[in-house]
Amino acid sequence: QVQLQESGPGLVKPSETLSLTCTVSGGSISNYYWSWIRQPPGKGLEWIGYIYYSGSTNYNPSLKSRVTISEDTSKNQFFLKLRSVTAADTAVYYCADGFGNYWGQGTLVTVSS
Amino acid sequence: EIVLTQSPGTLSLSPGERATLSCRASQSVSSSYLAWYQQKPGQAPRLLIYAASSRAIGIPDRFSGSGSGTDFTLTISRLEPEDFAVYYCQQYGSSPWTFGQGTKVEIK
Repeated sequence: QVQLQESGPGLVKPSETLSLTCTVSGGSISNYYWSWIRQPPGKGLEWIGYIYYSGSTNYNPSLKSRVTISEDTSKNQFFLKLRSVTAADTAVYYCADGFGNYWGQGTLVTVSS
Repeated sequence: EIVLTQSPGTLSLSPGERATLSCRASQSVSSSYLAWYQQKPGQAPRLLIYAASSRAIGIPDRFSGSGSGTDFTLTISRLEPEDFAVYYCQQYGSSPWTFGQGTKVEIK
């Protein structure tokens, strides 16, 4: 059974960089799609982007200038970096396999000074 | 960007009743790459349906999906108490992948 676990700071200051790690167990991250999705409190889901195969990426244009998704296949982890955050980036951040079969439990990241 | 509009916003039904949820796309969804998710408070979304009509692993057969092009439907044939939740559609045929705003199925 594939399991995903998000980790990272729960509080980030405005203008700084949000950094999260997703650790995958029960399966290899190689040669597959892996996504980040977020959900502001009380609101709907927003796709951030995915990484696939040999590190190729695809990002939501609304975030593209600020986001980087990368991976470390030796550790079976993939990562999210979101730069220049504001309060509007406060959300529960989920990692998931590319087609939504498996999700982490989510981690709340609050942007506040 | 494909905009997905779900209706109704809230559906008030009793256990045992049939639920019909709609997801309309602003343009045709490529290859029917349309998924449905269920989300309960404090939990991650759970994949119910992919490719418009294929049930994900472990999903009861009371959940069914249909549709193509721009109009898609999720049907729950007989609501069980555990089915009261928020449901989202998502298209993954065109970048950026997008979600609908959700339909809440609540107990009447």
